[in-house]
Amino acid sequence: GAVVSQHPSWVICKSGTSVKIECRSLDFQATTMFWYRQFPKQSLMLMATSNEGSKATYEQGVEKDKFLINHASLTLSTLTVTSAHPEDSSFYICSARLPGYEQYFGPGTRLTVT
Amino acid sequence: GQNIDQPTEMTATEGAIVQINCTYQTSGFNGLFWYQQHAGEAPTFLSYNVLDGLEEKGRFSSFLSRSKGYSYLLLKELQMKDSASYLCAVRSGSNDYKLSFGAGTTVTVRA
Repeated sequence: GAVVSQHPSWVICKSGTSVKIECRSLDFQATTMFWYRQFPKQSLMLMATSNEGSKATYEQGVEKDKFLINHASLTLSTLTVTSAHPEDSSFYICSARLPGYEQYFGPGTRLTVT
Repeated sequence: GQNIDQPTEMTATEGAIVQINCTYQTSGFNGLFWYQQHAGEAPTFLSYNVLDGLEEKGRFSSFLSRSKGYSYLLLKELQMKDSASYLCAVRSGSNDYKLSFGAGTTVTVRA
């Protein structure tokens, strides 16, 4: 099956700093990637939809200037959490869509902001 | 928008059967997915229904009724490793094929 990787798998950063999370589709080209956030014991909440070569589409309530998304190629999308605060601590999961098939999820990135 | 409801928790005994229900209200329905998620891990795909009826895949089956906005996931011959959260997700029929997830049902399998 299709494989999606994320890097890093976990990261701890200080409040006010920025963190970049990478999402890669390893064996297929993904025209669309999605970024989700999941707080403890809650379900996945879609943050944004990322299409290669165009600006990301953010869900209502998600600050586009705080969560910067770059989909530079068909196999790579990055999420940068700028000026991170403790309330941004969460599990961030990306997924990549293979046209005609379901979304394939990455293993997730655990972000802790101290 | 989407409104997806599923029970919060269910408990069952090893070897038994458990049925997880999911109801949804959505515009532009274009498929319903079930995912399994173990704590601290990403969701893994279990099943997909876009037409009415039952889809069977080994110990797991999923049913869909589009007219009722209803689906269920049936887990048979429960094993301890089936203890996890089960997420119902609905896809809307737009170009980006977004998924909207329910809150998840935590299933605990006891010996």
